[in-house]
Amino acid sequence: NAGVTQTPKFQVLKTGQSMTLQCAQDMNHEYMSWYRQDPGMGLRLIHYSVGAGITDQGEVPNGYNVSRSTTEDFPLRLLSAAPSQTSVYFCASSYSGQAWTEAFFGQGTRLTVV
Amino acid sequence: TQLLEQSPQFLSIQEGENLTVYCNSSSVFSSLQWYRQEPGEGPVLLVTVVTGGEVKKLKRLTFQFGDARKDSSLHITAAQPGDTGLYLCAVNNAGNMLTFGGGTRLMVKP
Repeated sequence: NAGVTQTPKFQVLKTGQSMTLQCAQDMNHEYMSWYRQDPGMGLRLIHYSVGAGITDQGEVPNGYNVSRSTTEDFPLRLLSAAPSQTSVYFCASSYSGQAWTEAFFGQGTRLTVV
Repeated sequence: TQLLEQSPQFLSIQEGENLTVYCNSSSVFSSLQWYRQEPGEGPVLLVTVVTGGEVKKLKRLTFQFGDARKDSSLHITAAQPGDTGLYLCAVNNAGNMLTFGGGTRLMVKP
């Protein structure tokens, strides 16, 4: 059972390069989101989606784009990578928007921007 | 966005000891979640507390939600090395928008 799958697991970018972090879930969840985790800061919400074709910004959206063309996939695009975007990125999904709903997370993508 | 403060930030104990970690805010929550994260993995949900004063037990872990629903605690009895990890409290603002505390990093030495 795959759950939430993120690729790649590790990535090194040069400043100014662009890339897409992939996220796919096989649980037919409507709700998906992206977080970044920096040392000592927990996880912070970047973008989220409540269904195919619907996305919105979270707490730290600058420098990132998302789209949701299918229920399964929610890619995160870095337009022009900066060292401040060095972080671990997590994708999550849930079946409901209710506050008590469990969020399922991928294993993360560790990104280094040099 | 609700600010969640966790304490302590770091905790290193010997196997068999008891410990408590805290999650506090000035805001009232409709519910609060605790997640555990192991190195190289994403967070995994441990429990959701919903009612003020609620106590939930998960084997050696006891979770409590404050009466005023502004704070929560996690108590581990007789900690084991397998309990090592990052413990995160979080509020789900609905729509899968989670606000996390900064986490408590626990190390249990054999």
